[in-house]
Amino acid sequence: GENVEQHPSTLSVQEGDSAVIKCTYSDSASNYFPWYKQELGKRPQLIIDIRSNVGEKKDQRIAVTLNKTAKHFSLHITETQPEDSAVYFCAASNSGGSNYKLTFGKGTLLTVNP
Amino acid sequence: DAGITQSPRHKVTETGTPVTLRCHQTENHRYMYWYRQDPGHGLRLIHYSYGVKDTDKGEVSDGYSVSRSKTEDFLLTLESATSSQTSVYFCAISAIPQVSYNEQFFGPGTRLTVL
Repeated sequence: GENVEQHPSTLSVQEGDSAVIKCTYSDSASNYFPWYKQELGKRPQLIIDIRSNVGEKKDQRIAVTLNKTAKHFSLHITETQPEDSAVYFCAASNSGGSNYKLTFGKGTLLTVNP
Repeated sequence: DAGITQSPRHKVTETGTPVTLRCHQTENHRYMYWYRQDPGHGLRLIHYSYGVKDTDKGEVSDGYSVSRSKTEDFLLTLESATSSQTSVYFCAISAIPQVSYNEQFFGPGTRLTVL
């Protein structure tokens, strides 16, 4: 089955700096890669996703890149703000398969210091 | 937030007692999922359902059973709760296969403590 590794497990940055979180996956058939943000005590919320037919996607201050050859994808947050502080999860899925499951990384705790 | 609720939101129970958690959706989505979240482990799939009466196991299914008698409800049962099942449980839904990609939306979670 799919295995997703996520690094780093914790990340601390100063407000205004950029943050990068990296994930690798094992199943070359995976074609959908979402990112979730989870604030303390809340549910995971989908913030951005990328599909295997594109290499990069941006939404305001966040962007995701995908390298299918190397089987890794990354989340980039620019101009970080204190409200970006949360746990971020990456995931991978083979949406063309017969079982529609997401495999999650273990998460990255991002702390943005004012 | 998608129309998805979980009940109860908090529960404390004793070892050996049965526990049932409920997930209810108003989106009429076919796929529903149960995850548990523990520190250092992220989100791990327990069971999922791809239609009424159609369910399958995830990676951590031992000690759990599920049922889906209606599209809108997906129940997770711990037949005899153990302390290792203390966790936060999240339900999720997906519009697959009506959409091409498996975007999942999560419920608010249930915090279960087994003493």
